[in-house]
Amino acid sequence: GQQLNQSPQSMFIQEGEDVSMNCTSSSIFNTWLWYKQDPGEGPVLLIALYKAGELTSNGRLTAQFGITRKDSFLNISASIPSDVGIYFCAGQLIQGAQKLVFGQGTRLTINP
Amino acid sequence: SAVISQKPSRDICQRGTSLTIQCQVDSQVTMMFWYRQQPGQSLTLIATANQGSEATYESGFVIDKFPISRPNLTFSTLTVSNMSPEDSSIYLCSVGGNQPQHFGDGTRLSIL
Repeated sequence: GQQLNQSPQSMFIQEGEDVSMNCTSSSIFNTWLWYKQDPGEGPVLLIALYKAGELTSNGRLTAQFGITRKDSFLNISASIPSDVGIYFCAGQLIQGAQKLVFGQGTRLTINP
Repeated sequence: SAVISQKPSRDICQRGTSLTIQCQVDSQVTMMFWYRQQPGQSLTLIATANQGSEATYESGFVIDKFPISRPNLTFSTLTVSNMSPEDSSIYLCSVGGNQPQHFGDGTRLSIL
């Protein structure tokens, strides 16, 4: 089945540093989504990307839909303690069906 | 976005028993989905819950093990049948349609 390769698996950074994570696939996706999951909660949508080349920001977060439609990245600038959590990318293959394939997740830890 | 409520939030069950998880949405939604998140892992789609008809299951998941109901556009249930310790996971409901998928907080299930 389709797989998304998300990297890195974990990150340990200092507060205030910038963060970058990415997802790649051998399949072409028509939508890329980025979620954050805190302990004991469900994933929360951060950014949705719908067009190849699209660059979208949400506060300190910026994500891009790769030109080839096979990859996406998420950047977090000036990290703060509440950014701690697990970040997941998700790709939607078929428009309308909304079936999502998830990456393995990136666990972000921040040292104050 | 729609507010999603899952019940129970957590449970501890004996092997061989079955548990039904409920997902209630505060507005009518076109699409509802059920995911499994095994400990420390990413999310895997179990099935798409179709209103008024049988659910559409993903490879590796079968109706006998995970029967799903969706009697209307705001409610769905997932039953985990004949549970074994390998079924210990977080089970998540999500909703979609005209917007990206949003998730409930999940049901944390442990089987002894």
